[in-house]
Amino acid sequence: GIQVEQSPPDLILQEGANSTLRCNFSDSVNNLQWFHQNPWGQLINLFYIPSGTKQNGRLSATTVATERYSLLYISSSQTTDSGVYFCAVLRPSGSRLTFGEGTQLTVNP
Amino acid sequence: SAVISQKPSRDICQRGTSLTIQCQVDSQVTMMFWYRQQPGQSLTLIATANQGSEATYESGFVIDKFPISRPNLTFSTLTVSNMSPEDSSIYLCSVVEGGNDQPQHFGDGTRLSIL
Repeated sequence: GIQVEQSPPDLILQEGANSTLRCNFSDSVNNLQWFHQNPWGQLINLFYIPSGTKQNGRLSATTVATERYSLLYISSSQTTDSGVYFCAVLRPSGSRLTFGEGTQLTVNP
Repeated sequence: SAVISQKPSRDICQRGTSLTIQCQVDSQVTMMFWYRQQPGQSLTLIATANQGSEATYESGFVIDKFPISRPNLTFSTLTVSNMSPEDSSIYLCSVVEGGNDQPQHFGDGTRLSIL
């Protein structure tokens, strides 16, 4: 099956810093989503981005499908950004999302 | 996007018992899924809930342990049967509106602890 690798596995920031999270995938995809899982376990949709660039406030994402990677940018980080960020992909022939292992982000005040 | 209500939000159960988790959506959706997230791990798909027919299970998951129902396009249940401490996890339902290239949206999850 398709492999999804996220880096870094852990990231600690001071409030106000910027960061870039990476997601590499091993095969062509129809769908790529970024999620934020907050400390209460809720999984929040951040982006649906099979290709191109999108921005939502302090967050933006870029997917380069031909090179099989996606980047999530967080600017001016806040303590509420803490949690686990997951990348998940959907293959053209399937319906099941395959998740990466996640990046654990901690933003300190 | 659809509003997904999952119940219960958490529970503590005794080993050997069973628990049924409900997932209710406020609009008709084409696809519904059930995921498990073990402590400190990523999400793993248990099965696709098929409306009016048996669910499609992923490798490593069986109907006897995780029976699933989906009587209509807005509701599904997952039962965790004969629970053991290894079943302590977060269980999440997700839905897709429209084609399967549309984004998946997740419920808030059920945090299950087995004593």
